[in-house]
Amino acid sequence: DGGITQSPKYLFRKEGQNVTLSCEQNLNHDAMYWYRQDPGQGLRLIYYSQIVNDFQKGDIAEGYSVSREKKESFPLTVTSAQKNPTAFYLCASSIDWETQYFGPGTRLLVL
Amino acid sequence: GESVGLHLPTLSVQEGDNSIINCAYSNSASDYFIWYKQESGKGPQFIIDIRSNMDKRQGQRVTVLLNKTVKHLSLQIAATQPGDSAVYFCAEKGSGGGADGLTFGKGTHLIIQP
Repeated sequence: DGGITQSPKYLFRKEGQNVTLSCEQNLNHDAMYWYRQDPGQGLRLIYYSQIVNDFQKGDIAEGYSVSREKKESFPLTVTSAQKNPTAFYLCASSIDWETQYFGPGTRLLVL
Repeated sequence: GESVGLHLPTLSVQEGDNSIINCAYSNSASDYFIWYKQESGKGPQFIIDIRSNMDKRQGQRVTVLLNKTVKHLSLQIAATQPGDSAVYFCAEKGSGGGADGLTFGKGTHLIIQP
């Protein structure tokens, strides 16, 4: 089955803790993206990667970090510097930098 | 900055009726548009797309209309079913290229009345 997977489905973060969200795709897409979705708001771009070993900041990158060591994987770390991390996080990938296909999402909650 | 938005946050329709969801965009340089469907607690699902050199595109039970003169995009769903209940949002991409991608609207929640 081809597609994008995200794990875990739910993630709990304690104060001062860094947590990492996983995103894997087997679609052979070059571009991958991380978005944050808050209630009543549209998707906001955190980071994106056009190709392996390259990534760029999006509109709300502060408090987040990423890596792109493999084409299939684009993990997102929510650092302790992100003071309001509670949100639904969505990963997407694209073969043509246009149509983006999304994973099922990870909901991050703060304890 | 330029953005993509929707006219109504909630749309309620009777099962079996046709639904029309609207989207206004402000970037006249946008050349590619997508409609996504997002069910509660899930990731957005691609429905249909359209390029700026087209006015209309049809899929299975869905039609997207693009009016470049007034910068308006609409999604029509024929014979709405309970499974169509979701948030629908449009996205647009400027003509500048690059992978930084899409600008998303906030979404319209489609509610199906039995």
